[in-house]
Amino acid sequence: AQSVTQLDSQVPVFEEAPVELRCNYSSSVSVYLFWYVQYPNQGLQLLLKYLSGSTLVESINGFEAEFNKSQTSFHLRKPSVHISDTAEYFCAVSPSGSARQLTFGSGTQLTVLP
Amino acid sequence: EAQVTQNPRYLITVTGKKLTVTCSQNMNHEYMSWYRQDPGLGLRQIYYSMNVEVTDKGDVPEGYKVSRKEKRNFPLILESPSPNQTSLYFCASKLSSYNEQFFGPGTRLTVL
Repeated sequence: AQSVTQLDSQVPVFEEAPVELRCNYSSSVSVYLFWYVQYPNQGLQLLLKYLSGSTLVESINGFEAEFNKSQTSFHLRKPSVHISDTAEYFCAVSPSGSARQLTFGSGTQLTVLP
Repeated sequence: EAQVTQNPRYLITVTGKKLTVTCSQNMNHEYMSWYRQDPGLGLRQIYYSMNVEVTDKGDVPEGYKVSRKEKRNFPLILESPSPNQTSLYFCASKLSSYNEQFFGPGTRLTVL
């Protein structure tokens, strides 16, 4: 079984400031890692994913996350946030190569302040 | 347009009155899942299905049933809803283990 811990439930940050949303996981097997974003009153959308290869993955809207196997972390970062980044962010993990579906963290609400 | 649809989007019901939330995908995906989202708990998987007639329990299956008679549909059934099943429900699908999961828009259920 695997589990995901998102250490911060709320992260307020001013516009154009950098942000880091923390995610740690535990698993007895190798994993795939994901970040999903949920805008108000909408479903979840995939932001980025790590399956294999380069440990640094990037999204099209400036977010990046780095897989750190030794620290079992997959923190999400953005160097300069916008008001439109205000949303809830979920880290998720699944066993690599398995049919078992995703296990989600409890979510981090990112609020970007003007 | 490739999508996952859910109906209804909003539902208020009373304890014990059977209900079904439908989920349909038009992407020919093999894998489908149901999740519930509760404040502070994130999304928890209720049931999942790897293919037609193949379903399995997720993390919180008690009080729910599912069926997968056709590839595109994966209805969630609450035989006797209770207030602790008040939640936001999401259906999701993906092509295979290695692929991105696509989510429906959500169904907000209130059980009085």
